[in-house]
Amino acid sequence: QVQLVQSGAEVKKPGASVKVSCKASGYTFTSYDINWVRQATGQGLEWMGWMNPNSGNTGYAQKFQGRVTMTRNTSISTAYMELSSLRSEDTAVYYCARASAHDYWGQGTLVTVSS
Amino acid sequence: QLVLTQSPSASASLGASVKLTCTLSSGHSSYAIAWHQQQPEKGPRYLMKLNSDGSHSKGDGIPDRFSGSSSGAERYLTISSLQSEDEADYYCQTWGAGIRVFGGGTKLTVL
Repeated sequence: QVQLVQSGAEVKKPGASVKVSCKASGYTFTSYDINWVRQATGQGLEWMGWMNPNSGNTGYAQKFQGRVTMTRNTSISTAYMELSSLRSEDTAVYYCARASAHDYWGQGTLVTVSS
Repeated sequence: QLVLTQSPSASASLGASVKLTCTLSSGHSSYAIAWHQQQPEKGPRYLMKLNSDGSHSKGDGIPDRFSGSSSGAERYLTISSLQSEDEADYYCQTWGAGIRVFGGGTKLTVL
């Protein structure tokens, strides 16, 4: 069965960077885009960007351009999302999701930004 | 600009039916969308992909109580025989060239 398994919770200081992983299984990793979505406490879902695991091509929401980098390692079917220059407003649960329709979701990774 | 609009809240009684609406912005009425459910303290779950002609394909294990339909720029999610576990936030989501967009979500209360 299709699964996306994310890395564990992180606590970071303002100004630092965080890198979250998303390991895919149960399907051909390079056949579907991976999207990253975040959700602050009590807020809605916010799309951050997408990556084509086959080509490595990416597209980022304007809000995150210059601060987010999405990469992958096809040999281990894993996608990564790195967010830099963290601020308190980046405290949120970060999700990976498969394909344009987000038909499978990771379990989420809580990133806490606090001094 | 690609935008999805949802009512912030809805309510219906246990055992009844409810129809949630998601409206696509002007010029985007042909777009497919996806519906996602987020129960309290849980991650999102994909419910279905809904095309402009009303055809839809549901995710794994999604009950028959959940169905979708379309009319113009409106996309609907109908939940019949409401159960307590249907109380959740429901998000519509769409995609275009290099962009994905979420609606603001509808909080469904089951009375």
